[in-house]
Amino acid sequence: KQEVTQIPAALSVPEGENLVLNCSFTDSAIYNLQWFRQDPGKGLTSLLLIQSSQREQTSGRLNASLDKSSGRSTLYIAASQPGDSATYLCASLTGTASKLTFGTGTRLQVTL
Amino acid sequence: DTGVSQNPRHKITKRGQNVTFRCDPISEHNRLYWYRQTLGQGPEFLTYFQNEAQLEKSRLLSDRFSAERPKGSFSTLEIQRTEQGDSAMYLCASSSITDTQYFGPGTRLTVL
Repeated sequence: KQEVTQIPAALSVPEGENLVLNCSFTDSAIYNLQWFRQDPGKGLTSLLLIQSSQREQTSGRLNASLDKSSGRSTLYIAASQPGDSATYLCASLTGTASKLTFGTGTRLQVTL
Repeated sequence: DTGVSQNPRHKITKRGQNVTFRCDPISEHNRLYWYRQTLGQGPEFLTYFQNEAQLEKSRLLSDRFSAERPKGSFSTLEIQRTEQGDSAMYLCASSSITDTQYFGPGTRLTVL
């Protein structure tokens, strides 16, 4: 059974800092890994998807990497802004490629 | 492309009542998923459909839960004889095969 862990659970940084969020998974037989953003009381917004054959994906100030052999993914956020404050969730697509297994998220606060 | 929509957005019910939620996926997506999210946790998979066929169900989906996707379009999730433990955010997502899953805004259920 796939288990996904995210560290840290919460993070507070001043505006402008670069930061890294970590995600680890136990089953390396994944189809892909997705990073999502969730604002309080809202649904999930997809940020990046990395296919199992890829090493990284970039979108604007966001860069996600994937190392299947070590069971790790990282989300790098450059030049953080207060609008980046949210919970960030990673999720892996495994098994019959039917479901995402989520971590518990990292709650990020970017202060002025 | 209007995104995934869910109705209602909020539902408050008394213990023992039945409730039904609706999800309208992105029109060209043949896969539809239901997840449940409780406070401070990542979403947990409940079930998924490929077209009108329900192909996988989680053990979380007790016999009080039933989901349908008639004609492979919208989907409904019904909970019978609700319990306080059913209080959660119910999220719907859709995708094309193993591509990005796009989530709706969710239905927040409160069982009194």
